[in-house]
Amino acid sequence: DAGVIQSPRHEVTEMGQEVTLRCKPISGHDYLFWYRQTMMRGLELLIYFNNNVPIDDSGMPEDRFSAKMPNASFSTLKIQPSEPRDSAVYFCASSRRALYQETQYFGPGTRLLVL
Amino acid sequence: QKEVEQDPGPLSVPEGAIVSLNCTYSNSAFQYFMWYRQYSRKGPELLMYTYSSGNKEDGRFTAQVDKSSKYISLFIRDSQPSDSATYLCAMGDSSYKLIFGSGTRLLVRP
Repeated sequence: DAGVIQSPRHEVTEMGQEVTLRCKPISGHDYLFWYRQTMMRGLELLIYFNNNVPIDDSGMPEDRFSAKMPNASFSTLKIQPSEPRDSAVYFCASSRRALYQETQYFGPGTRLLVL
Repeated sequence: QKEVEQDPGPLSVPEGAIVSLNCTYSNSAFQYFMWYRQYSRKGPELLMYTYSSGNKEDGRFTAQVDKSSKYISLFIRDSQPSDSATYLCAMGDSSYKLIFGSGTRLLVRP
């Protein structure tokens, strides 16, 4: 298996622009997670899905952020409009079951820089 | 105050040293405790998992949880340069929502 695939790997954009991050989870994994990692705040869970349904979006910082999972093999995280404080590494992760002892498999991340 | 506190380091040790990494937390509902390892420019990967209090050993790694003190530790014996990475503690309650520490950067010098 190729693992969790994220695109783009790097994104540089200007303040006010729309940004769309993409994720393909590992086949057969029913859970998908979006995280954001910064030096100041560490790794934070933004939202997670079970069988394509959003379960907990309490970590989504504000209405500028939205996430969708139209099918089992694809998810997007959209920021509109983007702001410099959104600059971070965004990780997508997937897992088969909701068990802590089973690892969440993380993708390589998307490094976002908003100027 | 953050729910999970972790010293960011960096921690620099010579090869072969015993390394101690620690986290404290404030939420008494946490029952699940994990350590993730993150190499530079990679995503985190699960290293150790412990439920409730106690110790767990896996090769050179030992995880300890003291719920009464709200304190968890990861020990690495005979540290190797390949152990150089950022170590993230993570915790959860019944909601299956992982809360991560900010990570401790470890450098093992040859």
